[in-house]
Amino acid sequence: DTGVSQDPRHKITKRGQNVTFRCDPISEHNRLYWYRQTLGQGPEFLTYFQNEAQLEKSRLLSDRFSAERPKGSFSTLEIQRTEQGDSAMYLCASSLGLAGNSYNEQFFGPGTRLTVL
Amino acid sequence: AQKVTQAQTEISVVEKEDVTLDCVYETRDTTYYLFWYKQPPSGELVFLIRRNSFDEQNEISGRYSWNFQKSTSSFNFTITASQVVDSAVYFCALSEGLGGATNKLIFGTGTLLAVQP
Repeated sequence: DTGVSQDPRHKITKRGQNVTFRCDPISEHNRLYWYRQTLGQGPEFLTYFQNEAQLEKSRLLSDRFSAERPKGSFSTLEIQRTEQGDSAMYLCASSLGLAGNSYNEQFFGPGTRLTVL
Repeated sequence: AQKVTQAQTEISVVEKEDVTLDCVYETRDTTYYLFWYKQPPSGELVFLIRRNSFDEQNEISGRYSWNFQKSTSSFNFTITASQVVDSAVYFCALSEGLGGATNKLIFGTGTLLAVQP
């Protein structure tokens, strides 16, 4: 399977615990995105990497959230001191970013569903 | 400001009926991209189509067709002869800028399509 993969698929945690999610993008894709989707809503942008550089962060990404992409391949999203409001589906997407006017679509992983009790 | 509005929260049709999903967008950019994604019950977002702001040609792919009208800032999606397998949440999304920009996606709230046998 050469698509975007995410691990774990489901995570249940107690409020105040830390959690970490992993995303493995399509191998040749240099761009990686994290989105959050709450029930009944569309995905909302959290952060974006081009290779290993984190180039944009949404205001939704509070200080308790941190994302890394250390070698420009897989990425991790950590949430510290989880709150019930963090319960959501966390989606990762990747694309091949090219210079100039071209655009390549983002391919999404299956998501990690987080439940904070 | 960037915004995508999908006014139809839920649509229910009987198999073989045609159905149109509405999407209205707001952007100040002259160069932008519009998308439709499908999210079946399994949760993974599936890319359906991308259009850029310079191409207002309508597109047909099998039972799917898209009508892009810049004059009304709309990008509507029609499924002809709907099937039970079309049941899903459909998201319209907007991305601003050229290939060198972040290209983050701004999603609408989605339309839940239920196709009854």
